[in-house]
Amino acid sequence: GAGVSQSPSNKVTEKGKDVELRCDPISGHTALYWYRQSLGQGLEFLIYFQGNSAPDKSGLPSDRFSAERTGGSVSTLTIQRTQQEDSAVYLCASSYGQGGDEQYFGPGTRLTVT
Amino acid sequence: QQQVKQSPQSLIVQKGGISIINCAYENTAFDYFPWYQQFPGKGPALLIAIRPDVSEKKEGRFTISFNKSAKQFSLHIMDSQPGDSATYFCAARRTYKYIFGTGTRLKVLA
Repeated sequence: GAGVSQSPSNKVTEKGKDVELRCDPISGHTALYWYRQSLGQGLEFLIYFQGNSAPDKSGLPSDRFSAERTGGSVSTLTIQRTQQEDSAVYLCASSYGQGGDEQYFGPGTRLTVT
Repeated sequence: QQQVKQSPQSLIVQKGGISIINCAYENTAFDYFPWYQQFPGKGPALLIAIRPDVSEKKEGRFTISFNKSAKQFSLHIMDSQPGDSATYFCAARRTYKYIFGTGTRLKVLA
């Protein structure tokens, strides 16, 4: 079956512009994660959605970052007024149920802020 | 207390050799310890994982050794192959939240 998909695969934007990154999780997966992967760094947790529960937003680095998940499926990560330090690969993962053992990752969106 | 420390940052191994990557954690509330493999341009993929009540788990050429008292765990890749060249991440999970190590770039020479 289809895996986790993300779009766009690459995004170049000017400093100060807003960007939207999209994630389509695996059908039936109720848990969805966003991570940020900076060069030479591990994955940094950003936000977690589980079903209809309130999301865990504790990893969002600033109020310029927000995310939503519509209908328990597709998720959008929005970064407002982008800064150069936002340049990174943004990864989405989904899993079956809360704490489902296997996270399935998408290929990521590489964001470059010029 | 939420950190997972991974070493080495990079590793070069001859084909057929053993690759060993180590991770250490502090939070004893972690309940699941996975290893991920990531190829360039791809997302990480689960390779092998262990729970803290088990000291070792083996799947094919990949083995996790887990030392609960030392709060350390390691990945061993036996008979390393050029196709194993990738970045490896350890992680530790508490309920649903994962903390990742900083990654090890493995290169296996043919």
